[in-house]
Amino acid sequence: AQSVAQPEDQVNVAEGNPLTVKCTYSVSGNPYLFWYVQYPNRGLQFLLKYITGDNLVKGSYGFEAEFNKSQTSFHLKKPSALVSDSALYFCASDSWGKFQFGAGTQVVVTP
Amino acid sequence: NAGVTQTPKFQVLKTGQSMTLQCAQDMNHEYMSWYRQDPGMGLRLIHYSVGAGITDQGEVPNGYNVSRSTTEDFPLRLLSAAPSQTSVYFCASSSNRGRYEQYFGPGTRLTVT
Repeated sequence: AQSVAQPEDQVNVAEGNPLTVKCTYSVSGNPYLFWYVQYPNRGLQFLLKYITGDNLVKGSYGFEAEFNKSQTSFHLKKPSALVSDSALYFCASDSWGKFQFGAGTQVVVTP
Repeated sequence: NAGVTQTPKFQVLKTGQSMTLQCAQDMNHEYMSWYRQDPGMGLRLIHYSVGAGITDQGEVPNGYNVSRSTTEDFPLRLLSAAPSQTSVYFCASSSNRGRYEQYFGPGTRLTVT
């Protein structure tokens, strides 16, 4: 069975500091991994995905993620966080056409 | 393009009532899906469809019914509402299953009393 885990319910970071949101996965075969962001009272928005190839994936709004097969991780990163990055972030995997989402990590960026 | 649209935005039902949540997309996507979002549980897949006339169950299908008569529309029916179905429901679509990102609608907030 596939699953993704987000070990942190909330991440607090000061504006301008690096932001990391953690995700680990358990997927048989080659995983398709995604990051989505949800702003209050909105649907989810796609940020980036890993399908194959380069382990460092760049996405929208300055975000990037590193796929690490040995650690089964796909952490989301941003070098310098903005207050507007405050939102709920979801990691997801796709295996055989079924999406599995993590529980989500609330990111709070303080001025 | 309007993308993925959902109606209604809010709904209150009494236990035992039935209703249909509407979902439509104008991107000619083959793959459509329904999720429910509950605090601390992320999004859970209810039902999905890989094309008109083809549907399948997801992780939490009980109490819900779907059909896909056209590429554009994918309604979700609650057969007999229960308080446990109080949730936020999202519809999503993508070009295909697998490696393709999904586009989400704005959601329907459902309360069952």
